Amino acid sequence: AQSVTQLDSHVSVSEGTPVLLRCNYSSSYSPSLFWYVQHPNKGLQLLLKYTSAATLVKGINGFEAEFKKSETSFHLTKPSAHMSDAAEYFCVVSERIRSQGNLIFGKGTKLSVKP
Amino acid sequence: DTGVSQDPRHKITKRGQNVTFRCDPISEHNRLYWYRQTLGQGPEFLTYFQNEAQLEKSRLLSDRFSAERPKGSFSTLEIQRTEQGDSAMYLCASSPGQGLYNEQFFGPGTRLTVL
Repeated sequence: AQSVTQLDSHVSVSEGTPVLLRCNYSSSYSPSLFWYVQHPNKGLQLLLKYTSAATLVKGINGFEAEFKKSETSFHLTKPSAHMSDAAEYFCVVSERIRSQGNLIFGKGTKLSVKP
Repeated sequence: DTGVSQDPRHKITKRGQNVTFRCDPISEHNRLYWYRQTLGQGPEFLTYFQNEAQLEKSRLLSDRFSAERPKGSFSTLEIQRTEQGDSAMYLCASSPGQGLYNEQFFGPGTRLTVL
């Protein structure tokens, strides 16, 4: 069975400092992994996706994530936080082979950015 | 705007009433998904359509819930005899249905409040 664990429910950083949002996954098959962002009163937006082409994945707005199979991790990072990054972030897994592709979401990490 | 749209954006109803939500996916997307998101949680999969065929249903989808996609385009989600526990954000997503990586595009959601 697939599952996703986001290790922090809330992360607070200062503007201009690095961001690290942690995610561990469990999957019986080769997973697809995603990070989605949800701003208040807005729909979920895809930040980046792991497609097995490269373990370091670059996304929008300067975010990137590294797939580490040995650690079953897919942590999201950004070198320098911006105020507009304040939002809820979801790590997501989908089994590429067995499933029709419904997504399994983590519980989310709320990112706060202080001036 | 050619994104996923949902209607209504907000619905307040009394316990025991029936409600229906509509989702219009991105044009020519074959796959359509419904998710439910409660406060402080990530979205949870409810059901999935490939064109007009409903191919997968979560155990979360009780017999009070029914979803249709009659012509393989828009979809409706109906909840009969609503209960307070049905209060949540109902999200719709669509994907092209090609390839293995299942990137899904989400609508803004319908927020249901059952009094």
